[in-house]
Order: sequence, then structure tokens, then C-alpha cells
Amino acid sequence: IAGITQAPTSQILAAGRRMTLRCTQDMRHNAMYWYRQDLGLGLRLIHYSNTAGTTGKGEVPDGYSVSRANTDDFPLTLASAVPSQTSVYFCASSEWTGGKLFFGSGTQLSVL
Amino acid sequence: SQQGEEDPQALSIQEGENATMNCSYKTSINNLQWYRQNSGRGLVHLILIRSNEREKHSGRLRVTLDTSKKSSSLLITASRAADTASYFCATDPVGGSYIPTFGRGTSLIVHP
Repeated sequence: IAGITQAPTSQILAAGRRMTLRCTQDMRHNAMYWYRQDLGLGLRLIHYSNTAGTTGKGEVPDGYSVSRANTDDFPLTLASAVPSQTSVYFCASSEWTGGKLFFGSGTQLSVL
Repeated sequence: SQQGEEDPQALSIQEGENATMNCSYKTSINNLQWYRQNSGRGLVHLILIRSNEREKHSGRLRVTLDTSKKSSSLLITASRAADTASYFCATDPVGGSYIPTFGRGTSLIVHP
């Protein structure tokens, strides 16, 4: 049972570079989410998608974009990375918006 | 900004003791969830309690919800070293987007 798969596991990125974090789920969940986790700040929502074809902004969306072309995939793109985007990024999904979340293992991103 | 805030920030106990963590929130909610995060891993769902429920149990876990005080507590009985983790509450505010908003978490250390 795979659940949610995130890639890469970790990445070091030069400032100004473009980066896409991948997220795939095999549970046919309608809703998907991207959170970032920073020490002392907990998890903050970046973007979400209630269902394929729709996306919405969370608490900290600036500098990030998402797409939801199909049910399974929800990539997060940093168009031009900055050091403040150094964080651990978690993708999650739920059967319906607001339900029990299933999390991936995270991507540790360092922007230098 | 976080809707839910956990207290204490850190808790250190001996194996066999009970651990109690609290979550306070600001606005009315549809439901409240508790999650566990082991170091370096994704979050794992523990319990979801709805606004019309006052108490739920799952194994050694007991969650209470007091909507009049806008607070919830997570009790872990007979703790084990394997319970060492961070614990987060997530709230779904009434009138919001139905997306869980996380607090900063409680770091629990259980000494063998």
C-alpha cells in the first residue's frame, strides 16, 4: 500500500532556480494539500485542491503554484526559489475536504 | 495564523505515566483532529472528534472536547517510549474552507 508518495526526499537548490515537488496518491482521494513545516511554527497550508481541476490558496501561497490535472497528482512548483522557502514540505490527501488527512513522508528543501 | 494552540510546548515523563496535552482554539469549529509526528516523518492521524461530541477513545488515547471553553485535551495512558513524538491538534473552523489548521504542537518525550 503506497498511500502518498513525495519526491524528492531532499533537495539542495540554488536561489533563483525553479523546482517542482512531486506528490502522488493512490487512494482516489478528492482533496489534496501542501503544507510547509518550520521549526516553532507548526504546519502552514500553502495550497489545496478540493477536487481534480480546482485549486485554492492557503495561508502562505506567495512564491508557490500548484496544479491538479487529475485525481492522483498534485505538484508544487517554486518558480524562483528564495532562502525563506527552506523548509520541510508535506503533501497530504483526504477523502473529502476537512476529513482525516493522510500525509506523505515529506521533502526537505534547502535553498541557498 | 494558527487556529489551535497546543500546551505545553514540551512534556517529559517516565514510561508508565500518563501524558496530557491540551489544545485551545479561537473560533467555533466543525471538528478537531489530533495527529502524531515521529521525528523526520509525516503526520499520522490519531482521532477526529466532532463539535457535538464530548469524548472519544482509541486504545490508550482519550480525547475530550469542551466547546464552551474552546479547548480539547489528548490523554495518553500508560505511556511507552514509542509514544515519544510531537502531537498536533488541527481544527476545522465553522465558516472556513473545511481545511484543517494546525497548531505548533507538543513535543512529548517518554523516558524508558
